[in-house]
Amino acid sequence: GAVVSQHPSWVICKSGTSVKIECRSLDFQATTMFWYRQFPKQSLMLMATSNEGSKATYEQGVEKDKFLINHASLTLSTLTVTSAHPEDSSFYICSAQGGQGLNNYGYTFGSGTRLTVV
Amino acid sequence: SQQGEEDPQALSIQEGENATMNCSYKTSINNLQWYRQNSGRGLVHLILIRSNEREKHSGRLRVTLDTSKKSSSLLITASRAADTASYFCATDGPYSEKLVFGKGTKLTVNP
Repeated sequence: GAVVSQHPSWVICKSGTSVKIECRSLDFQATTMFWYRQFPKQSLMLMATSNEGSKATYEQGVEKDKFLINHASLTLSTLTVTSAHPEDSSFYICSAQGGQGLNNYGYTFGSGTRLTVV
Repeated sequence: SQQGEEDPQALSIQEGENATMNCSYKTSINNLQWYRQNSGRGLVHLILIRSNEREKHSGRLRVTLDTSKKSSSLLITASRAADTASYFCATDGPYSEKLVFGKGTKLTVNP
C-alpha cells in the first residue's frame, strides 16, 4: 500500500530558529498534500493544502509567512516553521492524496512530527 | 475550520463492553471516515463510508451514516484494553478535497 514518510518524528529547537519538516510519498505521486497541526488533547486542525508546483492554500488564521510550505515535486512537500516560538510547539501531521492508501480513497497520513520549542 | 463534532468527548468502559461514539457534521459530504490515534502517535485509518451508504462493517467495527441527520456512529463491539485511544471522524465534501476532522472521543477501556 501507499506510504507517506514524515520526518523528523520529533524535534526540539530554540526559540527564534526555523524548523523544516518533510513529507514524502514513497511509492506514489502525491498531487495534493495537506498539513495539519494538533495541540495536546485536541483534534487535527487543517493548516494548508499544497498542490505540486503551485502556492499553498492556507486556512483562515494560519500565517503563511510563518508556516512556509513548498511542494516542489510530486513526492515531496515541506513545512518550515520560521522563527519558532513556544506557542508553535505542537504535533504536525501531513497527509498526501494521490495514492490508494489504506482507505482506498487516496488519503495517506505521515506518522507526525512532535515539535517542541524551548 | 472543523466540520465534525463527536460525542461523547470521553468514554470509559470495561473490557468486553461495547463502545459507541457519534459524529455530527454540518455540510454535505462525499465520504466520512473514522480514524484512531493512540496518545502522541499518528493516525490509523479504520473505515470509510460513502455518502450513499448507510452501514458498513469491518471486524468488530460497525459504522452507520445518516445523511438526513448529518450524523454517523462508530460502534466497537467486545472492546479490549488495546482499543484505548482517541477516535476521530473526518469528512470530505463534494466541493472540497480537504479532509476535515471532528473534535474526537477519548475512549478508555479498563481491563
